Amino acid sequence: DQQVKQNSPSLSVQEGRISILNCDYTNSMFDYFLWYKKYPAEGPTFLISISSIKDKNEDGRFTVFLNKSAKHLSLHIVPSQPGDSAVYFCAASYATALIFGKGTTLSVSS
Amino acid sequence: SAVISQKPSRDICQRGTSLTIQCQVDSQVTMMFWYRQQPGQSLTLIATANQGSEATYESGFVIDKFPISRPNLTFSTLTVSNMSPEDSSIYLCSVEDSYSNSGANVLTFGAGSRLTVL
Repeated sequence: DQQVKQNSPSLSVQEGRISILNCDYTNSMFDYFLWYKKYPAEGPTFLISISSIKDKNEDGRFTVFLNKSAKHLSLHIVPSQPGDSAVYFCAASYATALIFGKGTTLSVSS
Repeated sequence: SAVISQKPSRDICQRGTSLTIQCQVDSQVTMMFWYRQQPGQSLTLIATANQGSEATYESGFVIDKFPISRPNLTFSTLTVSNMSPEDSSIYLCSVEDSYSNSGANVLTFGAGSRLTVL
């Protein structure tokens, strides 16, 4: 059973608009949630994280929102740029383990 | 962040053969993690490798199929044994990012080794 779910395999957005990537989880014991970005032929790179005791974390164009009651988090990218086109993985942390979702492929068109 | 080099970057393998993937880190690290990403699937942790001790395997992964070596604090290998087409995946090496100030358990990944088993 998947503990971290990204239900949208893909998302297409125009340059300058907002991209919203969603993630759901099932385990209330997760203490941190992370977003990774992956370009083809490269390893995933860390983007932004949020503690389970927070509801928002912002870093430049990237903001992550956490709704603990709904067990849902989202990554907002504003404004979206063509270079943001990549696969985005949601991950949840428990002790030393990181559990990943299947990823969402974001395509930003100019 | 640490810089991780993985070899090979990709390979095409015959059913029944074994392949060893190498992971080199530019700094000493305590734990190294091996992940697998099957086509269309999430990254799944195979095992955690500590220097000087046996690797710890996750549920569904066994040492006979995925033997791991960790001879020193900067190097590890993962062997995929007796391969079948179901082993076609990207295999990724990762380490904890000791420079991260996020408070989270941030991992740094290598570029991965894409294996195709015919």
